[in-house]
Amino acid sequence: DAGVIQSPRHEVTEMGQEVTLRCKPISGHDYLFWYRQTMMRGLELLIYFNNNVPIDDSGMPEDRFSAKMPNASFSTLKIQPSEPRDSAVYFCASSLQSSYNSPLHFGNGTRLTVT
Amino acid sequence: AQSVTQLDSQVPVFEEAPVELRCNYSSSVSVYLFWYVQYPNQGLQLLLKYLSGSTLVESINGFEAEFNKSQTSFHLRKPSVHISDTAEYFCAVSVNKAAGNKLTFGGGTRVLVKP
Repeated sequence: DAGVIQSPRHEVTEMGQEVTLRCKPISGHDYLFWYRQTMMRGLELLIYFNNNVPIDDSGMPEDRFSAKMPNASFSTLKIQPSEPRDSAVYFCASSLQSSYNSPLHFGNGTRLTVT
Repeated sequence: AQSVTQLDSQVPVFEEAPVELRCNYSSSVSVYLFWYVQYPNQGLQLLLKYLSGSTLVESINGFEAEFNKSQTSFHLRKPSVHISDTAEYFCAVSVNKAAGNKLTFGGGTRVLVKP
């Protein structure tokens, strides 16, 4: 299995531009999570999906952020408009079940820099 | 709400020396505890977990962690580290059986193994 695949690995954009981050979970995994990692705030859960349906988006910072999962093999996290404080590493993770017995599998992340 | 505190942000250690990474959590209910490791430029990987049963859990690469309910701790130890153990280590907790993978992470401890 190729694991969780995220693209792009690096994204540099100017303030005000739209940014779209992409994630392909492990085939067969029913749960997909988006995390953000910064030096100041550590790892924060933004949103997670079960069977393509958003379950908890309480971690999404504000309306500029949106996430979709149109099918079981693809999810996007969009920021519009982007701001310098959005600079972070964004991780996608998937798991087979919601159970604590099913570990999270993380992608290698997208490093976003907003100038 | 639960929280996780990793008391040390960085731990320098010489090769073949022992290391202990401290993790304390706060929760009013039963918890499930995890350690994840993040190697440079990679996503997080599950290192070990405590769900129930024996309070001492081990990983395949020589790490162990002990759940101490009275002290609300889940410290990670390795008796002899290798250069390849250089990474950031995250303690995480879940209290929700229904969403066992909705983890709250600590701030991370960066381990630098020196020759």
